[in-house]
Amino acid sequence: EAGVTQFPSHSVIEKGQTVTLRCDPISGHDNLYWYRRVMGKEIKFLLHFVKESKQDESGMPNNRFLAERTGGTYSTLKVQPAELEDSGVYFCASSQLATYEQYFGPGTRLTVT
Amino acid sequence: GQSLEQPSEVTAVEGAIVQINCTYQTSGFYGLSWYQQHDGGAPTFLSYNALDGLEETGRFSSFLSRSDSYGYLLLQELQMKDSASYFCAVTGGGGGNKLTFGTGTQLKVEL
Repeated sequence: EAGVTQFPSHSVIEKGQTVTLRCDPISGHDNLYWYRRVMGKEIKFLLHFVKESKQDESGMPNNRFLAERTGGTYSTLKVQPAELEDSGVYFCASSQLATYEQYFGPGTRLTVT
Repeated sequence: GQSLEQPSEVTAVEGAIVQINCTYQTSGFYGLSWYQQHDGGAPTFLSYNALDGLEETGRFSSFLSRSDSYGYLLLQELQMKDSASYFCAVTGGGGGNKLTFGTGTQLKVEL
């Protein structure tokens, strides 16, 4: 069984540009989460999808961030326009409904210069 | 709001036992999880406690005291490969099983 995959693994962009991160969850996992770790800080929750619906987006920092999950399969997280403070590692995780164990992807390291 | 505190670093020798503590303050609580992360890679689930007491999974055990808002991860028969970051994380508040992570404990296992 394939794990959670994320693309790209690294992205370096300039301030003001747009970047789109992609996450492919484990097949059959209805829950999909996005988290972010900024340098030196803890991993922080961004948002949660159940299938294609946003269940909780309380962690989204501002309206420069837009997440979608088309058809309840893969998800994208777009940052537009990117700011310096958006640099960090963005993790995606998935899980089955009504379970606590989350499976994390390897993350996308975003650097905004 | 929610906050979790862990020691930043712990060092132990191979074959020893180490305990990583986690105290939490949360507005809602369903359970406490532990995740392992090697070299900034994908965090990997280790354990989950929803009720008070000890849960054992091989060399790893996890404990929870809800009345004390406290838990710990116990690693026995330490191996070099156990050198990693360990995070406690609370599930709770608002549903959906989102995780609120602690700052992480860097465990160094020495010969």
